[in-house]
Amino acid sequence: DIQMTQSPSSLSASVGDRVTITCRASQSISSYVNWYQQKPGKAPNLLIYAASSLQSGVPSRFSGSGSGTDFTLTISSLQPEDFATYYCQQSYTTPIAFGQGTRLEIK
Amino acid sequence: QVQLQQSGPGLVKPSQTLSLTCAISGDSVSSNSAAWNWIRQSPSRGLEWLGRTYYRSKWYNDYAVSVKSRITINPDTSKNQFSLQLKSVTPEDTALYYCVREGTISTFGYWGRGTLVTVSS
Repeated sequence: DIQMTQSPSSLSASVGDRVTITCRASQSISSYVNWYQQKPGKAPNLLIYAASSLQSGVPSRFSGSGSGTDFTLTISSLQPEDFATYYCQQSYTTPIAFGQGTRLEIK
Repeated sequence: QVQLQQSGPGLVKPSQTLSLTCAISGDSVSSNSAAWNWIRQSPSRGLEWLGRTYYRSKWYNDYAVSVKSRITINPDTSKNQFSLQLKSVTPEDTALYYCVREGTISTFGYWGRGTLVTVSS
């Protein structure tokens, strides 16, 4: 099975900061990574698919990159509504797996 | 716009069967381009994919190894819904359960609101 390891597990940042979250797959998965944002009491929301494609309606300050085993989610300028938990997910093969999450908190 | 409406009990006794249903609107459970998943979330396990059902000229199922001996996901074409049954539950199965539509390249674009299921006597 493919494991997804995110880092850091938590992160404190300020409005306007540039933030990068990393996800590493236990084996090569080409570009089959999706990223989600989850706010308290809500289901996860798709942000990025296929490693770097922005889901419709998602602000352009979100971007994704990577291929193979190493992937990143970047928020170029943090807004107050971006403080949430972020998850990566591999869509290369079953069983589908998620990273453990990165909690982004206000500094 | 796809909407997923979950239903089922929030409390299940140990050793019994957890049963949840997800009613679909705005799409078809028999769609050739979607798959219908159950994902659960708990503080100890995070987001855990449990399995899916989908139709590609015939019905297929995929299940997570961790629950493969206990899980069944079934489509119901007459009601345009799908269901989850998880047998022999223990307190470790306590979690928030989501039904989720999987689109192209396994993107989870539509989620139900979640059902908190507690396993307790």
